[in-house]
Amino acid sequence: EIVLTQSPGTLSLSPGERATLSCRASQSVNRSYLAWYQQRPGQAPRLVIYAAYTRATGIPDRFSGSGSGTDFTLTISRLEPEDFAVYYCQQSGPSSMYTFGQGTKLEIK
Amino acid sequence: EVKLVESGGGLIQPGGSLRLSCAASGFTVANNYMSWVRQAPGRGLECVSLIYNTGTTYYADSVRGRFAISRDNPKNTLYLQMNSLTVDDTATYYCTRGLGFGDNSWGQGTLVTVSS
Repeated sequence: EIVLTQSPGTLSLSPGERATLSCRASQSVNRSYLAWYQQRPGQAPRLVIYAAYTRATGIPDRFSGSGSGTDFTLTISRLEPEDFAVYYCQQSGPSSMYTFGQGTKLEIK
Repeated sequence: EVKLVESGGGLIQPGGSLRLSCAASGFTVANNYMSWVRQAPGRGLECVSLIYNTGTTYYADSVRGRFAISRDNPKNTLYLQMNSLTVDDTATYYCTRGLGFGDNSWGQGTLVTVSS
């Protein structure tokens, strides 16, 4: 099973600032199988990025993904109030169980 | 429009069984990768089971041997049979389509509470 470790656990920033969230895998992940989700309180998660750097439908271009191998990053260039939420990375490697990171809480400073 | 509607959650005693259903519309369940993802109160996300379009299934270690994923093609419905439930299975269970891929979608979730 591939273990995903996210850092930091909590990130405190102000609107307008840049957010950088990290996801490290215990073994190499094909970038086609790395996704990021946003979850607001009381809501189901929503896909933000798939295939490591492709924005999902309706996701604004201030969201971007990067990385390869075992290190992946989600960047939000200029934080809007609605961006404050919990973010999860997730891998969908073929012929194995899918796994999530433990999440990064992005909170207003 | 793609829609996933879960049902079947509720309060169950430890050791009991429950079957969750996920009624899909706007796409064909049998042609997609489908999964069940759970979230314990105040905790993160855990994929507990998935089924490929080929019928191949996978389970998390925490539920293997107790849970079974299946689908009813004529009803376009996904199921999760949960047996030998413990308090650690208490969570909101989400049905998802295409987890990790561009056509991903989620249901609203159904709450399962295991308690005596």
